[in-house]
Amino acid sequence: DAGITQSPRYKITETGRQVTLMCHQTWSHSYMFWYRQDLGHGLRLIYYSAAADITDKGEVPDGYVVSRSKTENFPLTLESATRSQTSVYFCASSESWGLVTDTQYFGPGTRLTVL
Amino acid sequence: DAKTTQPNSMESNEEEPVHLPCNHSTISGTDYIHWYRQLPSQGPEYVIHGLTSNVNNRMASLAIAEDRKSSTLILHRATLRDAAVYYCILRGDYSGGGADGLTFGKGTHLIIQP
Repeated sequence: DAGITQSPRYKITETGRQVTLMCHQTWSHSYMFWYRQDLGHGLRLIYYSAAADITDKGEVPDGYVVSRSKTENFPLTLESATRSQTSVYFCASSESWGLVTDTQYFGPGTRLTVL
Repeated sequence: DAKTTQPNSMESNEEEPVHLPCNHSTISGTDYIHWYRQLPSQGPEYVIHGLTSNVNNRMASLAIAEDRKSSTLILHRATLRDAAVYYCILRGDYSGGGADGLTFGKGTHLIIQP
């Protein structure tokens, strides 16, 4: 199906393990974003990417790594998962992001639990 | 960044209009007002945006006060599927390059009674 998808939708892992969350979009949007959503904090930006091979940190990047070798994919890796990274993770994309009228399209989310 | 204030929750009946308020008293002249909503167990979705004039689309209407210090998202005939958290977000000229993403507050939890 066209749009933005995330996998897995649910993941349980243990402290210290490496975990990769996948995000794929079919619109060829230039910009892609990763957010996490926690109770009491709303959505917070982790990383974003303006194009393939261009990434930058958001508000809460510590403990995360991203890459973007292809326009359509933007994986998020937790190199050594911690309990504080238990959260719901949302990927988003946008055709452009330089104008105040630009909008983002969000994926369905991945619920990650770190034991 | 200019901030927004929304009620924590609101309740309405199905098939009735819903008016969701948002206060943004420190809004600057170039800030756009965006609304997103998040249905249960889903990612946020864009609803509507505007600058000064009232705006309509297939999902909702946005009424912006003349002084722009407040706005109201209007769902003309709410259905059970409109039950969601609604976020009012400001985006201004400083929001360039994606460095700030979207700044989500806690939004308004809209409950629709059948």
